[in-house]
Amino acid sequence: GNSVTQMEGPVTLSEEAFLTINCTYTATGYPSLFWYVQYPGEGLQLLLKATKADDKGSNKGFEATYRKETTSFHLEKGSVQVSDSAVYFCALSESDYKLSFGAGTTVTVRA
Amino acid sequence: GAGVSQSPRYKVAKRGQDVALRCDPISGHVSLFWYQQALGQGPEFLTYFQNEAQLDKSGLPSDRFFAERPEGSVSTLKIQRTQQEDSAVYLCASSLAGTGGYTFGSGTRLTVV
Repeated sequence: GNSVTQMEGPVTLSEEAFLTINCTYTATGYPSLFWYVQYPGEGLQLLLKATKADDKGSNKGFEATYRKETTSFHLEKGSVQVSDSAVYFCALSESDYKLSFGAGTTVTVRA
Repeated sequence: GAGVSQSPRYKVAKRGQDVALRCDPISGHVSLFWYQQALGQGPEFLTYFQNEAQLDKSGLPSDRFFAERPEGSVSTLKIQRTQQEDSAVYLCASSLAGTGGYTFGSGTRLTVV
C-alpha cells in the first residue's frame, strides 16, 4: 500500500537558518506529492505540490522536488522566520481524492 | 462561507454516548472528505463524498461510524457508542474536484472519557 515517512521532530531552529524536512514515500504507481502546513490553532493548508517526476513545487519560499529515483520529496527553505513555526505534513495521492499523510514534523523557529 | 466550518470545535463524550460532528464545506465544493487525526499522527482518510453520493467509505474504522451528506452540502459524521480509541481530531475538507487541493476545516477534537 501507499505510505509516507517523514523526518521526526521536533525541529528547533534560529531565525534565518536553513530548514530541510525529509520525506520519502512508497507507492504502487505514480502519485502526486504534497506538503501541507498546520499553523497553531488553524486547519491544514496546502503549502505546495508536484504531480510528476522532476517537478518542483514552491510557495512562500519553500521548495520541494519530486525525485522518483529516490522516492523522495524533501521540503526546504533557505531562511526561516518565526512565522514558519508550524507542523508540516508530507502527503501523497494516487487517486483523485485520497491522501496518505506522514506523521508530521513540528518546527519551531526562535527569534 | 469563506472556509470550511466544523462544529463543535471540542466535544467531550462519555464512553458509550453517540456523537454527531458537523461540517459546512465551502459553497459550491463538490467533493467532501473526512479524516481522523490521532494525537501526534498524520490524518487518516475516513470517507469521501461527491455531492450527496458517498463514493468511498473504506477508511471508516467500524460500523459505529456513519457519515452522510443528504443534500450535497453539509455533512455529518456520526459515531455511535463511542469508545476511548475514538478520541482524535476529526477533520473535514472540501474541494471543487479532487487532486489533493483541499481546503481543510479546523477540526473537531473529540475526547471520550
